[in-house]
Amino acid sequence: GAGVSQTPSNKVTEKGKYVELRCDPISGHTALYWYRQSLGQGPEFLIYFQGTGAADDSGLPNDRFFAVRPEGSVSTLKIQRTERGDSAVYLCASSSLPLTGSWNGYTFGSGTRLTVV
Amino acid sequence: AQSVTQLGSHVSVSEGALVLLRCNYSSSVPPYLFWYVQYPNQGLQLLLKYTSAATLVKGINGFEAEFKKSETSFHLTKPSAHMSDAAEYFCAVSLGYGNKLVFGAGTILRVKS
Repeated sequence: GAGVSQTPSNKVTEKGKYVELRCDPISGHTALYWYRQSLGQGPEFLIYFQGTGAADDSGLPNDRFFAVRPEGSVSTLKIQRTERGDSAVYLCASSSLPLTGSWNGYTFGSGTRLTVV
Repeated sequence: AQSVTQLGSHVSVSEGALVLLRCNYSSSVPPYLFWYVQYPNQGLQLLLKYTSAATLVKGINGFEAEFKKSETSFHLTKPSAHMSDAAEYFCAVSLGYGNKLVFGAGTILRVKS
């Protein structure tokens, strides 16, 4: 697609429930990143995919958080047993090396606002 | 590991005045540097980026930033503030493609009429 698409844009869930957040990167972008932005803070890195594999998952806060990218395009961030502290905006970004010219950096989606009640 | 410090969580300027948002970075190798703007309840929009070419980088909406290696700084400026510039601004650093982007805590810019 033309940009990074994230669905849903808003998600309200009850404490203890399981949620899935989806990211559809720019077509052809091999690198995909997940970030979490809590209220009043800057985005914090969660996980980075290069193709299908998680190249860096050092930002995942605990084992309730998991992400996949089975075909190297769409990614899903999965949160088990949600807690109120998981409430935040979850951002996805994608990136790719250009065939010519300089690197364009990262393109972010509009995010999914997760509210755990 | 790289990091970013944004001095001033809130900055207030009058309409028409100079905007200066400060950013200092820490990186063990030459970094890539970015400024993003975020309007309320919206996503991150790239203002400008430094990718080791010219040290003075011009971005959208009249903003520019200068990479100063000796000062490890990448301050964002705009000669004349508009009401529409009121937003939160994030400075971020990366080691390049295939590396994560590390954000500062952000600076909220208020523009007074």
